[in-house]
Amino acid sequence: DTGVSQNPRHKITKRGQNVTFRCDPISEHNRLYWYRQTLGQGPEFLTYFQNEAQLEKSRLLSDRFSAERPKGSFSTLEIQRTEQGDSAMYLCASRPDRSSSYEQYFGPGTRLTVT
Amino acid sequence: AQSVTQLGSHVSVSEGALVLLRCNYSSSVPPYLFWYVQYPNQGLQLLLKYTTGATLVKGINGFEAEFKKSETSFHLTKPSAHMSDAAEYFCAVSGSPRGSYIPTFGRGTSLIVHP
Repeated sequence: DTGVSQNPRHKITKRGQNVTFRCDPISEHNRLYWYRQTLGQGPEFLTYFQNEAQLEKSRLLSDRFSAERPKGSFSTLEIQRTEQGDSAMYLCASRPDRSSSYEQYFGPGTRLTVT
Repeated sequence: AQSVTQLGSHVSVSEGALVLLRCNYSSSVPPYLFWYVQYPNQGLQLLLKYTTGATLVKGINGFEAEFKKSETSFHLTKPSAHMSDAAEYFCAVSGSPRGSYIPTFGRGTSLIVHP
């Protein structure tokens, strides 16, 4: 069991550039979640997938954000035309579809810095 | 709707002293409750969870928490703090009439342990 992995771990970009992050969930975990965490705050929900279907999106997910999970395995989160306010830690989590506790397993996160 | 309030953004204790981190929640349905720990530049790791049954739950690293429905609380305790317990702690509530069970996190409490 390799756990949830995220790449890259750190990303520095200039304002206006596009960035893409990748999340590889624990194998056989059908559900995959994206969160954003800013300094001094808890994780805030962005979106989640059940297999390849994107089932829910937060109001935090502006039009510049898009997430995909094309084959129901790994997922990508893209931010277009980055802004300084996008600087945050982006966390991915996964869990089995049939889980009695709804516990999520988190990856190490991707820290984005927009200059 | 669901929400979490963590009282105290910082808690400072001496090594060997009792640790008490407070969490109050609000949920329109019977909640699932979680405590996660986050070390610097890492993802979240589950400490313990309450789903149903026994209201006193034990987790990893000697932590435990008690679900008190009448007080809508789920405080985290540890009898004797270690230096290695210094980290950020997040309480989360998960419960959704729609069944998505997406957790809502508190803002976190930073535990500082003095030698």
